[in-house]
Amino acid sequence: AQTIHQWPVAEIKAVGSPLSLGCTIKGKSSPNLYWYWQATGGTLQQLFYSITVGQVESVVQLNLSASRPKDDQFILSTEKLLLSHSGFYLCAWNQANTEVFFGKGTRLTVV
Amino acid sequence: GDSVTQTEGPVTVSESESLIINCTYSATSIAYPNLFWYVRYPGEGLQLLLKVITAGQKGSSRGFEATYNKETTSFHLQKASVQESDSAVYYCALGRSSGSWQLIFGSGTQLTVMP
Repeated sequence: AQTIHQWPVAEIKAVGSPLSLGCTIKGKSSPNLYWYWQATGGTLQQLFYSITVGQVESVVQLNLSASRPKDDQFILSTEKLLLSHSGFYLCAWNQANTEVFFGKGTRLTVV
Repeated sequence: GDSVTQTEGPVTVSESESLIINCTYSATSIAYPNLFWYVRYPGEGLQLLLKVITAGQKGSSRGFEATYNKETTSFHLQKASVQESDSAVYYCALGRSSGSWQLIFGSGTQLTVMP
């Protein structure tokens, strides 16, 4: 069975500090990977997607970056956090245009 | 652009009452988007509740139903008799192919079912 694991579960970070959120998918080869984000009171929106290792496409510009160093790993990061980065981050995967499976998410609070 | 609008939460109903969460969509980039309802139970990840990919069809799962109505661009979620375990956040979404497979979500509706 496929599993998706996100870390950390929650973070409280200072404005201007760096951030790294991670996600691993086990049990599936060459999945499409996604990062979604929901600001408090906002809607879930896709930030990045990756179809293959080393290739990441940005969908929304938020002064964040993403990388896919391994087939089963997706990293979201920034060197300097902004208050507006607060929210809920979800990693997800699918294959072709099939059902999308989501992780449990990371709650980020920037203070 | 494409968008989804759904019932503003929070919604509170009593157990065994009926429920409807409204969802309407606007799809300018695709004539027949796929439509979904996702649910997030407390402490759990977002999971698919039901989906419909053909206009005019109905999807159902766990007692919930939704019909893809292209004329009214709606995909309302209904349940005849809710249970306390249905308490969760419900998201309506449309799916489209745009470089990758992309889900466009509504803002989510927090549902609380009182015993």
